[in-house]
Amino acid sequence: AAGVIQSPRHLIKEKRETATLKCYPIPRHDTVYWYQQGPGQDPQFLISFYEKMQSDKGSIPDRFSAQQFSDYHSELNMSSLELGDSALYFCASSVDRGGGSPLHFGNGTRLTVT
Amino acid sequence: GENVEQHPSTLSVQEGDSAVIKCTYSDSASNYFPWYKQELGKGPQLIIDIRSNVGEKKDQRIAVTLNKTAKHFSLHITETQPEDSAVYFCAALNDYKLSFGAGTTVTVRA
Repeated sequence: AAGVIQSPRHLIKEKRETATLKCYPIPRHDTVYWYQQGPGQDPQFLISFYEKMQSDKGSIPDRFSAQQFSDYHSELNMSSLELGDSALYFCASSVDRGGGSPLHFGNGTRLTVT
Repeated sequence: GENVEQHPSTLSVQEGDSAVIKCTYSDSASNYFPWYKQELGKGPQLIIDIRSNVGEKKDQRIAVTLNKTAKHFSLHITETQPEDSAVYFCAALNDYKLSFGAGTTVTVRA
């Protein structure tokens, strides 16, 4: 079965640089979520999109922005990177904001800021 | 917002024994409770879930129970195998947002 695809798998950036993470949801899933997971921590909700509109917002820094495109893929844009942004970033998708199906996660992008 | 607490943080069991992980949640409006297994270098993988109108659900060696009154839910793994070793997260869906517990590192000793 098709899963959530994230790219790139690994990304190394320097402080103050920008990064773009991409997420391709499971076909026919209309909701995309972004989570950040620090070492040894649980995933923290950043932001979600439903039918290409921002749906809910969590602890996402103002330096980060995201959008969902007409083909339902999503991109997380991160600017003015800080050392503390180093983490695993997961994308998940579902149907109908989780009311219609479980959230399925991709394998994440490991961002390292040096 | 929702607050999910998970215990224990680490669990070591002998192969073949059972493992139990417990979670509590704070918001009675939460209505969906999934469990995820995360292996090193991978994303959380859904292993079982339960909705608030159900008290128990079983899938082969894995079962989940939900007590809405007490606001707690548990994961039971029977006949544990080495491949069950991983980090397990409970979660609760509230207002379309999924909040996770802190995770339990399960080690199955051969």
